[in-house]
Amino acid sequence: SQQGEEDPQALSIQEGENATMNCSYKTSINNLQWYRQNSGRGLVHLILIRSNEREKHSGRLRVTLDTSKKSSSLLITASRAADTASYFCATRPRDSNYQLIWGAGTKLIIKP
Amino acid sequence: KAGVTQTPRYLIKTRGQQVTLSCSPISGHRSVSWYQQTPGQGLQFLFEYFSETQRNKGNFPGRFSGRQFSNSRSEMNVSTLELGDSALYLCASSLAPRGADTEAFFGQGTRLTVV
Repeated sequence: SQQGEEDPQALSIQEGENATMNCSYKTSINNLQWYRQNSGRGLVHLILIRSNEREKHSGRLRVTLDTSKKSSSLLITASRAADTASYFCATRPRDSNYQLIWGAGTKLIIKP
Repeated sequence: KAGVTQTPRYLIKTRGQQVTLSCSPISGHRSVSWYQQTPGQGLQFLFEYFSETQRNKGNFPGRFSGRQFSNSRSEMNVSTLELGDSALYLCASSLAPRGADTEAFFGQGTRLTVV
């Protein structure tokens, strides 16, 4: 079953613009993670944010977490062609047996 | 440091056959998780191993099994293949005993096609 729902499903922007993706989930979590996947290849970990954190940064990436709304957002600033990929959020529900539950992903296309 | 290595990268099998996929984690990582990725169902957790013990299992039929060796390398096996088993199978390794509590490092995956 899917815990996370990403929004939008697809996003196409011009190079240099900012891209924002959202993730909503259903149950209380221990942590939420964002991953990137390039065209049918392996996933690359971007950021892990714990339930007691509200915001984290890594380079051009900014992740926020609102546990009251059960949602998270990933902001990529000054997008580049190399950012073209699918982005997934994964949650570790608090009461789970330590599984990560994945959303369906947002497909991001950066146009040159 | 070498990344997570999955072999083979591509496989074509016939319905009813069985298949074994291999995963070598990053050196020093003892936690290995397996995922199935399909366009329809997305990423779904199969199982997790730590120190040769299965710690966690997803909601898949018994045809899907796995094991981990003393060197942390892991294999997963699918018996009596069905067309619906066609998918990208991803392996991830992590340092912590519970992979879901920390950053996971993924391999490039094995793309299995069942015909």
